Amino acid sequence: GAVVSQHPSWVICKSGTSVKIECRSLDFQATTMFWYRQFPKQSLMLMATSNEGSKATYEQGVEKDKFLINHASLTLSTLTVTSAHPEDSSFYICSARASSLRPNEKLFFGSGTQLSVL
Amino acid sequence: KNQVEQSPQSLIILEGKNCTLQCNYTVSPFSNLRWYKQDTGRGPVSLTIMTFSENTKSNGRYTATLDADTKQSSLHITASQLSDSASYICVVRGGNQGGKLIFGQGTELSVKP
Repeated sequence: GAVVSQHPSWVICKSGTSVKIECRSLDFQATTMFWYRQFPKQSLMLMATSNEGSKATYEQGVEKDKFLINHASLTLSTLTVTSAHPEDSSFYICSARASSLRPNEKLFFGSGTQLSVL
Repeated sequence: KNQVEQSPQSLIILEGKNCTLQCNYTVSPFSNLRWYKQDTGRGPVSLTIMTFSENTKSNGRYTATLDADTKQSSLHITASQLSDSASYICVVRGGNQGGKLIFGQGTELSVKP
């Protein structure tokens, strides 16, 4: 089946630094990628939707200047957490979809990135 | 408000036993309902996707049912295995343009030997 690779799987950083998380679709072209965050024992919360070659659409309450999303190619999207603070510590997951025109299209998730900000 | 509610929140069963997880939703209009399995510290993995016209769908030992009239779905796991221990998430896609996914809180299943 289709594979979405997310890297790194975990990262520890100092407060104030920036962290970049990569999400790659390995065997299909992802026209749409999604970024989620998940706190312990809670469900996934959509942060933003990105379509290749265009600006990401952010959910209400998500700071676009803090969570920079780039979807420069059909196989790669990146999420950069800028000036990270301890409250940004969370599990970040990406997902990718092959075609935005087919609502029943399977959504493939990355393996997630555990971010810990000290 | 579009919501997806799952029950129970957590469940402990013995290996080899069957179990059923519930999902009720209020999302309208409705496009499809998905069940995912999420191992701790990993991304969710799709188990089934059902549209309003599908009543049941199986994937190995997993069988999902959908009643679009009552807006209820269930996920039945047969002959549970230790590796079934995970969080099971019900996700409903709205039928509006853009069709956002609405996630349930998940059911934490623990299978004991």
